[in-house]
Amino acid sequence: AQKITQTQPGMFVQEKEAVTLDCTYDTSDQSYGLFWYKQPSSGEMIFLIYQGSYDEQNATEGRYSLNFQKARKSANLVISASQLGDSAMYFCAIPRLGSARQLTFGSGTQLTVLP
Amino acid sequence: EAQVTQNPRYLITVTGKKLTVTCSQNMNHEYMSWYRQDPGLGLRQIYYSMNVEVTDKGDVPEGYKVSRKEKRNFPLILESPSPNQTSLYFCASSLFGAHQGQPQHFGDGTRLSIL
Repeated sequence: AQKITQTQPGMFVQEKEAVTLDCTYDTSDQSYGLFWYKQPSSGEMIFLIYQGSYDEQNATEGRYSLNFQKARKSANLVISASQLGDSAMYFCAIPRLGSARQLTFGSGTQLTVLP
Repeated sequence: EAQVTQNPRYLITVTGKKLTVTCSQNMNHEYMSWYRQDPGLGLRQIYYSMNVEVTDKGDVPEGYKVSRKEKRNFPLILESPSPNQTSLYFCASSLFGAHQGQPQHFGDGTRLSIL
């Protein structure tokens, strides 16, 4: 069965610093993708970034980038130059084994950016 | 503007009184899904639909019904709500499930309280 682990329930970072949020997963699929979502305190879920398992480059999207290590089955989210508005819950997600019909979500990391 | 619209955003109701949470997307997406989010349990999928008239159970379908009569709409029905269905509910849609990096776009959520 698919498993996604986010080992950091809570993280703190100083404004303007970079922060890395961890995500490890367990899959036997050869081709898969990983998604990261942000959930601010207002509750909505916002798609941030995607990494395909066969992508040669690590995904980047503005201040967000992924440190994707396929052999280690990890896809850590790096947020550069943190802003107060980055304070939120962050989830990584992966499609279910053998199926792209369902996503399995990690338990999330609560990031707090300090002024 | 491309979006997933859920209504209502907040609802307090009583046990046994049938309710419907509507979900509509304007992106011509094939795939739609309902999740519930509970503290400590993360996001769990209730039902999903790959296309019109095609629906499948997710991880926690008990007590819920869905229908997909039109591509854009995917209502969630609680025929006889109970207090354990108090939760934050999300509707999501994507082009074709999680294939090829298609992210799921989420509605703003519905906070449901069953007394």
